[in-house]
Amino acid sequence: GAGVSQTPSNKVTEKGKYVELRCDPISGHTALYWYRQSLGQGPEFLIYFQGTGAADDSGLPNDRFFAVRPEGSVSTLKIQRTERGDSAVYLCASRFTGPNTEAFFGQGTRLTVV
Amino acid sequence: QQQVKQSPQSLIVQKGGISIINCAYENTAFDYFPWYQQFPGKGPALLIAIRPDVSEKKEGRFTISFNKSAKQFSLHIMDSQPGDSATYFCAASGGSNYKLTFGKGTLLTVNP
Repeated sequence: GAGVSQTPSNKVTEKGKYVELRCDPISGHTALYWYRQSLGQGPEFLIYFQGTGAADDSGLPNDRFFAVRPEGSVSTLKIQRTERGDSAVYLCASRFTGPNTEAFFGQGTRLTVV
Repeated sequence: QQQVKQSPQSLIVQKGGISIINCAYENTAFDYFPWYQQFPGKGPALLIAIRPDVSEKKEGRFTISFNKSAKQFSLHIMDSQPGDSATYFCAASGGSNYKLTFGKGTLLTVNP
């Protein structure tokens, strides 16, 4: 596809369950980011991948959150023991490596924990 | 600590008017300042961006003004149109990972 693709678009899960959110970046983009956007707020950084490795995971709120990018393309954000406070839109962005190249965002996955 | 402060929270403008959104930052290591436009149910899309070596950048109806000494930058939308109605976010980044720090957003409504 031409853009960043995120699946699913919406996910409703019960408190305590495990969820996986998928991101397909733009082909050739080596840098990939996950952000979380709560209602009425700007996106907040979670984690940054350069290739296969997590170069910066300082934004992950706690150890229930984990992300992987095993082949340097598709990434999965994993949330264990979900809590109602995890409800938000999870955004993925990708870009070419290099100074100040444009970051392209996906449409996001709206996660609702009930 | 909110590193990028954005105002106003919401803005109503008449068609043809000028929309102005302001942002201030604290981290002097920031060296890239983009503005994003977001429609409901969509991800943010880059509108225009500036680096601190210039004080102004214009693309069509959109202009960024940048004041490095005051650590402030603003977005001006000239001849605002109803199709401009969206949420606008300022952002900033710096360092080798280019992660973005966003403001809280401004909901712009342009009345016909």
